[in-house]
Amino acid sequence: GAVVSQHPSRVICKSGTSVKIECRSLDFQATTMFWYRQFPKQSLMLMATSNEGSKATYEQGVEKDKFLINHASLTLSTLTVTSAHPEDSSFYICSAVEVSVNQPQHFGDGTRLSIL
Amino acid sequence: KQEVTQIPAALSVPEGENLVLNCSFTDSAIYNLQWFRQDPGKGLTSLLLIQSSQREQTSGRLNASLDKSSGRSTLYIAASQPGDSATYLCAVRPNDYKLSFGAGTTVTVRA
Repeated sequence: GAVVSQHPSRVICKSGTSVKIECRSLDFQATTMFWYRQFPKQSLMLMATSNEGSKATYEQGVEKDKFLINHASLTLSTLTVTSAHPEDSSFYICSAVEVSVNQPQHFGDGTRLSIL
Repeated sequence: KQEVTQIPAALSVPEGENLVLNCSFTDSAIYNLQWFRQDPGKGLTSLLLIQSSQREQTSGRLNASLDKSSGRSTLYIAASQPGDSATYLCAVRPNDYKLSFGAGTTVTVRA
């Protein structure tokens, strides 16, 4: 089945550091990837939609200069949390959609980001 | 804006008991509904996907029903096992791919 690889699985870093998270579709071409954020015991909240070769679309309330998204190829999207602060600590999950219509999203295993 | 609610928030049952998890959504104009499993600190595993034209989907011990007009879906897990302990999320999809998730039901199956 379709596999999405997300890396790293866990990051602990100091406040002010920029952190990059990668999301790769391993056996299919993903024209669209999504980035979600999940707080403890809460639902996944969509942050942005990433389309290959074009600018990401951010949901209301998400700072595009804080969360930089790049989708340079059909198999890779990256999320960079710039100048991270403790309030950015969260669980970030990506998902990818196959080119063919009506396919479900496939999710990565998530990245636990902890900013000290 | 689509609102997805899952009740109960948590559920604890003895092994062997059947599980019933509920999901409701406010906007019935959905393309499909999907049930996921999430283990602690992990990503999502897709369990069942029901198209808006379907009434139910089955996979092994899992059965999910969909009543689009009333904005409800139910996930049934038969003969629960300790390995079924996890958080179960439902998500609805409109015509675009943007999923709206419920907060989940955390299930504990006691051996």
